[in-house]
Amino acid sequence: AQKITQTQPGMFVQEKEAVTLDCTYDTSDPSYGLFWYKQPSSGEMIFLIYQGSYDQQNATEGRYSLNFQKARKSANLVISASQLGDSAMYFCAISIIQGAQKLVFGQGTRLTINP
Amino acid sequence: KAGVTQTPRYLIKTRGQQVTLSCSPISGHRSVSWYQQTPGQGLQFLFEYFSETQRNKGNFPGRFSGRQFSNSRSEMNVSTLELGDSALYLCASSRDDGYTFGSGTRLTVV
Repeated sequence: AQKITQTQPGMFVQEKEAVTLDCTYDTSDPSYGLFWYKQPSSGEMIFLIYQGSYDQQNATEGRYSLNFQKARKSANLVISASQLGDSAMYFCAISIIQGAQKLVFGQGTRLTINP
Repeated sequence: KAGVTQTPRYLIKTRGQQVTLSCSPISGHRSVSWYQQTPGQGLQFLFEYFSETQRNKGNFPGRFSGRQFSNSRSEMNVSTLELGDSALYLCASSRDDGYTFGSGTRLTVV
């Protein structure tokens, strides 16, 4: 079974600062993918970034980067130069690559960007 | 390209009724998975369909069911609704390693 732990229920950050959202995972499968999603108050889940377990380099997508530390089973999301529009819930999720397509989510972190 | 379409967006039902939610995946995506999101339990996996076959099911009672059609569109059904079924229901369309979500159906049971 897979498990995701997000230990920060809420975070408050000043606009333009960088922010790191923590995520640790647990799985016995060697082949897996890690995802980060943003969920604004409207409810839609917006894909941010993906890291495969065999990827050698940390993933980056614009202002988003993933600090992947495989030995520590950690996949922290880093948002550089935060903006007011970044205020939302952020979810870390894991999926096993082989077999049925299923995401296991963490409890999420509510990020608030202050002007 | 068109995204994942979920209908309806909002729904109010009475306890004991049944409800059917629809999800149209991205063209070419054959896997559709469903999730329930509540404030207390967070995001929980319901089931996943691939080529009209259920490949995986979460830990939900038999009142929750689903199906997938030959065009990959999927429906989920909840029978004998309970107050605790009030939630945001999200479906995700996937291919290879990517998951794209719809906007969700917000179900309120009164």
